[in-house]
Amino acid sequence: AQTVTQSQPEMSVQEAETVTLSCTYDTSESDYYLFWYKQPPSRQMILVIRQEAYKQQNATENRFSVNFQKAAKSFSLKISDSQLGDAAMYFCGSGTYKYIFGTGTRLKVLA
Amino acid sequence: DAMVIQNPRYQVTQFGKPVTLSCSQTLNHNVMYWYQQKSSQAPKLLFHYYDKDFNNEADTPDNFQSRRPNTSFCFLDIRSPGLGDAAMYLCATSRQGQQETQYFGPGTRLLVL
Repeated sequence: AQTVTQSQPEMSVQEAETVTLSCTYDTSESDYYLFWYKQPPSRQMILVIRQEAYKQQNATENRFSVNFQKAAKSFSLKISDSQLGDAAMYFCGSGTYKYIFGTGTRLKVLA
Repeated sequence: DAMVIQNPRYQVTQFGKPVTLSCSQTLNHNVMYWYQQKSSQAPKLLFHYYDKDFNNEADTPDNFQSRRPNTSFCFLDIRSPGLGDAAMYLCATSRQGQQETQYFGPGTRLLVL
C-alpha cells in the first residue's frame, strides 16, 4: 500500500527566512511522481512543485525547491525568502494518475 | 482562463436527503476525480473517471455515486447523507499522459443537518 507521512502538523517561519517541510513516502510503484500542493484557507489546492521519481536532479520552482532522496523515500520542500502569501496548508503527495496525500503541514509566516 | 469549477461552493442538506454536487472543467482533460477532505485531514480519493470508465476506490461507501455525462461535467451524488459525510468535496482533473498533474477546483463544503 502507498503511504505518505508528514510529521510536522504545523510550522512557523519569519518573513524572508527559509523553512523546510518534511515528507516521507512508501510506494510499490516503479515509476511515480511526487508533489507538493498548497491549500490557502478557503481556497483551492494549487500545485507548488513536482518531481518525477526517475529524475535524480531536484526540482526547483522559483523560491521553492525539493530535496528528493529516493533511497530514503524522502521528499522535503524548501521555501526560501518566505512571504506572507506562503501561509497555507501544504500537502505532500505521491502517485501516478491516482494520488495519495499526507495529512498536511500548516505553515504560518510571521511578519 | 481554463479551470475547474465546482457548484455550489457551500451546500446544506438534511440527514438522509439526497444531494448532488457538480464539477465542470474547461481544460478538456480526460480524467476527473472526486476527493473527500474532512477537517485537518488529507484529501481522500473517492473515485475517478478515466474517459467514460468509472473507477471506485475499494473503501468508498456505497452511499456515494458519480456520473459523468460528458467530458466537461462530473457529478457526485450522495444518496442518503449522514452526519459523517459533512466535509469538503474536491473535484480534480488531469490529462493522462501529460505528466499526471491534477488541477483542483475550489471545492464544495457540505453541511449535513
